[in-house]
Amino acid sequence: EDKVVQSPLSLVVHEGDTVTLNCSYEVTNFRSLLWYKQEKKAPTFLFMLTSSGIEKKSGRLSSILDKKELFSILNITATQTGDSAIYLCAVGRIQGAQKLVFGQGTRLTINP
Amino acid sequence: DAGVTQSPTHLIKTRGQHVTLRCSPISGHKSVSWYQQVLGQGPQFIFQYYEKEERGRGNFPDRFSARQFPNYSSELNVNALLLGDSALYLCASSFDFWSAGTTDTQYFGPGTRLTVL
Repeated sequence: EDKVVQSPLSLVVHEGDTVTLNCSYEVTNFRSLLWYKQEKKAPTFLFMLTSSGIEKKSGRLSSILDKKELFSILNITATQTGDSAIYLCAVGRIQGAQKLVFGQGTRLTINP
Repeated sequence: DAGVTQSPTHLIKTRGQHVTLRCSPISGHKSVSWYQQVLGQGPQFIFQYYEKEERGRGNFPDRFSARQFPNYSSELNVNALLLGDSALYLCASSFDFWSAGTTDTQYFGPGTRLTVL
């Protein structure tokens, strides 16, 4: 059965800290790994990763995929209170439906 | 361009009733997927429709059904509501379909919060 596991489930840090969120997966016919940020309702897209070892970067956020060890990390540097959210990792499969298998999410809280 | 839109935003129903949720994809997107997100969990796949055909179904009972219209909008129907159907229902759209060989991102709408009493 396809599985995506995120850790930690919850994280509380102070503004300015750097955080690393983890995502490991066991999914057949892997195609891509996606990161989303969910603040209230709609998950908003952050990154899509398909190749190992190539870092994707957007401002203070960056992510990298390791297809050999089946995991990805999401880094956020110089955190701000606006980064407080649930971060979701999802894996897409190559065949069948365009289905995303989600992890349970990491709830990140940034205290001022 | 408008993003994915969903209606209604909130809905309260009682057990045994029926509900219809609606989704309009991003303009030009042909694929719509539905997900259920129970509090504290990640979204779970319910259906995908591409070019008005069902392309996949998740592990949900037959009480759940969906369809896609010629303008690519979609409806999710749930019959005989149970308390456990209370959740945030998310719609996601993408331009194309992975099996066609393209890498494509799914963009989510704000969801419909369904409460079953």
